Amino acid sequence: EPEVTQTPSHQVTQMGQEVILRCVPISNHLYFYWYRQILGQKVEFLVSFYNNEISEKSEIFDDQFSVERPDGSNFTLKIRSTKLEDSAMYFCASMVAGGDEQFFGPGTRLTVL
Amino acid sequence: GESVGLHLPTLSVQEGDNSIINCAYSNSASDYFIWYKQESGKGPQFIIDIRSNMDKRQGQRVTVLLNKTVKHLSLQIAATQPGDSAVYFCAENKPPTNKLIFGTGTLLAVQP
Repeated sequence: EPEVTQTPSHQVTQMGQEVILRCVPISNHLYFYWYRQILGQKVEFLVSFYNNEISEKSEIFDDQFSVERPDGSNFTLKIRSTKLEDSAMYFCASMVAGGDEQFFGPGTRLTVL
Repeated sequence: GESVGLHLPTLSVQEGDNSIINCAYSNSASDYFIWYKQESGKGPQFIIDIRSNMDKRQGQRVTVLLNKTVKHLSLQIAATQPGDSAVYFCAENKPPTNKLIFGTGTLLAVQP
């Protein structure tokens, strides 16, 4: 069964450093999303991406964040200068065209020291 | 502002009993709701969904009820099993991008 994959599973970085979180969505999906979950809190929407552009972003998704689909398979989330409060689980999700169900990856745990 | 939230943070049930997890939402125009299950170390997994033109939908061992009058939905799990132990989130799917607005989650603990 196809699934969304994410790498790395755990990323530790120093405050101020740049990080790139990687996702490989399900191959025939066209809608892509990033969410984050701070420990013990609810999952929060960050950004949606379709047709090679951002279709919606939340207030969390400020100028420090960017997304990219550099090739036909990867979908990346970049944080330019990480802050302590960026520590969270980051989930990628994808959805087929015309579908309703988003399929989530296992997440990347980002720890900012 | 809009919000989707849960009444109970933790629910402990005996194996074999039925479980009921509740969720309230604030936006009366909300149209489409989904329940997700999140096991430890994994991403959210779709369980069942319901649209506002329905008040009940059944799946395998799970039922979702929607009460639009009081803006409340619930997830019922029949004959709860140890494998059902997880955090359960209700979420609202918002067009046009289908972004998900999640509630705060309920931890379901199944006692053998």
